[in-house]
Amino acid sequence: EAEVAQSPRYKITEKSQAVAFWCDPISGHATLYWYRQILGQGPELLVQFQDESVVDDSQLPKDRFSAERLKGVDSTLKIQPAELGDSAMYLCASSQPSRDTGELFFGEGSRLTVL
Amino acid sequence: EDKVVQSPLSLVVHEGDTVTLNCSYEVTNFRSLLWYKQEKKAPTFLFMLTSSGIEKKSGRLSSILDKKELFSILNITATQTGDSAVYLCAGDSNYQLIWGAGTKLIIKP
Repeated sequence: EAEVAQSPRYKITEKSQAVAFWCDPISGHATLYWYRQILGQGPELLVQFQDESVVDDSQLPKDRFSAERLKGVDSTLKIQPAELGDSAMYLCASSQPSRDTGELFFGEGSRLTVL
Repeated sequence: EDKVVQSPLSLVVHEGDTVTLNCSYEVTNFRSLLWYKQEKKAPTFLFMLTSSGIEKKSGRLSSILDKKELFSILNITATQTGDSAVYLCAGDSNYQLIWGAGTKLIIKP
């Protein structure tokens, strides 16, 4: 069964360091999402791609966060410098272009702890 | 501002009980209401609801949408310990999902 791949699963870093997360969506899924989920809260959209183009990055803290999907397939989310408040689960999801089914497929997530 | 509110925030019941989880929404350009189950990792899709009054069912889980009163419920009958999870609902606002904070459901054996 096709899955969304994410790495690393866990990352512990010190504040002010740089971190990067990688996501490989399900083949053929043109739409890719990066979400941040703080414990006890719902996912918060950071950035949405349609192919290689950013559709929505209004909630992305652009002073420290960046995301790219250069070839319209896999994607990288970077944080530099990391802050204590960035500790969270970073979820990647993908969906088919029309998304008539409404279904997002999520990866296992990357749990970040900033010390 | 778009928002989705879930209640209760947490719920503890015994195995075999029936539970009802609530989701109210205020979402512009509303397209659908989605339910996801999140165990210790990523959310997994349960239902998508677009029409009022039409129940969607999958095994012991069912869900219905009321577009007049702007809410949805998720029912789980004959609960099992494997149903323990966080249940998330999200409103689709023209392909942008607005998420609730989730209901943490704990099923005691």
